[in-house]
Amino acid sequence: KQEVTQIPAALSVPEGENLVLNCSFTDSAIYNLQWFRQDPGKGLTSLLLIQSSQREQTSGRLNASLDKSSGRSTLYIAASQPGDSATYLCAVDAGNMLTFGGGTRLMVKP
Amino acid sequence: GAGVSQSPSNKVTEKGKDVELRCDPISGHTALYWYRQSLGQGLEFLIYFQGNSAPDKSGLPSDRFSAERTGGSVSTLTIQRTQQEDSAVYLCASSLEGRGMGGYTFGSGTRLTVV
Repeated sequence: KQEVTQIPAALSVPEGENLVLNCSFTDSAIYNLQWFRQDPGKGLTSLLLIQSSQREQTSGRLNASLDKSSGRSTLYIAASQPGDSATYLCAVDAGNMLTFGGGTRLMVKP
Repeated sequence: GAGVSQSPSNKVTEKGKDVELRCDPISGHTALYWYRQSLGQGLEFLIYFQGNSAPDKSGLPSDRFSAERTGGSVSTLTIQRTQQEDSAVYLCASSLEGRGMGGYTFGSGTRLTVV
């Protein structure tokens, strides 16, 4: 059974810092990995999708990497801003559903 | 539509009543998923529809839960005889085809409160 773990569970940083969120998964037989953002009381917003054949994806200040063989992904956020405060979820697709990690709750202080 | 639409956005119901939650996926997306997010918990897979194939119901927590998808588009999740532990946010997602080849797009969810 696929298990997804995210570290840290919570993170508080001052504005402007670069930061790294970690995601690990137990079964490397995946089709893709997706990073989402969830604001309080809201749904999920897709940030980056990495197909299993890819190593990384970039969008603006966000960069996500994937090392399928070791079962790891990282989300790098450059020059963090208070508006980045949210919960970040990583999810792997190994078949007919996404398996989610528990999320990292990020707070960026002005 | 431009995104995945869910209704209602909020629903308060009395214990024992039945509720129906609706999901309207992105036009042309053949795959549709329901997830549940309980307070302080992660996202829990409920059910998956792909085209005209039989749905994968392996995540439904009890026989009080059922879902259908009519005409390969709109889906309805029905919870019968609601219990307080059913209180959660129910999220629907769609993707262009199965196995999330195009990634998943989520709706804003329905927040269900059973009192």
